Amino acid sequence: DVKVTQSSRYLVKRTGEKVFLECVQDMDHENMFWYRQDPGLGLRLIYFSYDVKMKEKGDIPEGYSVSREKKERFSLILESASTNQTSMYLCASSLLRSRRTGGDSYEQYFGPGTRLTVT
Amino acid sequence: SQQGEEDPQALSIQEGENATMNCSYKTSINNLQWYRQNSGRGLVHLILIRSNEREKHSGRLRVTLDTSKKSSSLLITASRAADTASYFCATAWGPSGYALNFGKGTSLLVTP
Repeated sequence: DVKVTQSSRYLVKRTGEKVFLECVQDMDHENMFWYRQDPGLGLRLIYFSYDVKMKEKGDIPEGYSVSREKKERFSLILESASTNQTSMYLCASSLLRSRRTGGDSYEQYFGPGTRLTVT
Repeated sequence: SQQGEEDPQALSIQEGENATMNCSYKTSINNLQWYRQNSGRGLVHLILIRSNEREKHSGRLRVTLDTSKKSSSLLITASRAADTASYFCATAWGPSGYALNFGKGTSLLVTP
């Protein structure tokens, strides 16, 4: 059974703290993603990675950084947490889209989410 | 970024009825995907339809795609209380197609 796990379901941090959200997948997927989900705004892409040590900015990277030192692990870092980063954070993984065949974007597998509150 | 947009935002039906959700998108696509999210949980992939397909079925799910209108619909037949969830359509994000753009979702409530 495929699995994406996130380090915490609920997290409460103070403004200015450095926050680490961890995501691990056991499917040997090349792609990993971080989204945040807010009421009325849907899911927004923060960062993604298509290989170890590779990363690309999504729509809302400001205030965040990421780290991918191993294929199975993708970390989201809030350098200095602020109240407007209170949100649900969702990690996902997928196979790499095949450039050679011009193939489809593959389905993504999601973790259960981390609800982060910054006070 | 250009997201898909689901319509309606919210839908309330009774068990046994059919539920139809629509999605519109802005750019050309290779495929379009539908996901479900139960309250406070991660998303689960439901179905993928390719740009050269017009209709696809999976159990009680039927998805249609009209690339000329840049729209898709998800039909859930004979709905059950367990179908209560939010439903999202997703298309490729950016030129690489690695990531996905999600719409804001349709919230479906199925009452017994």
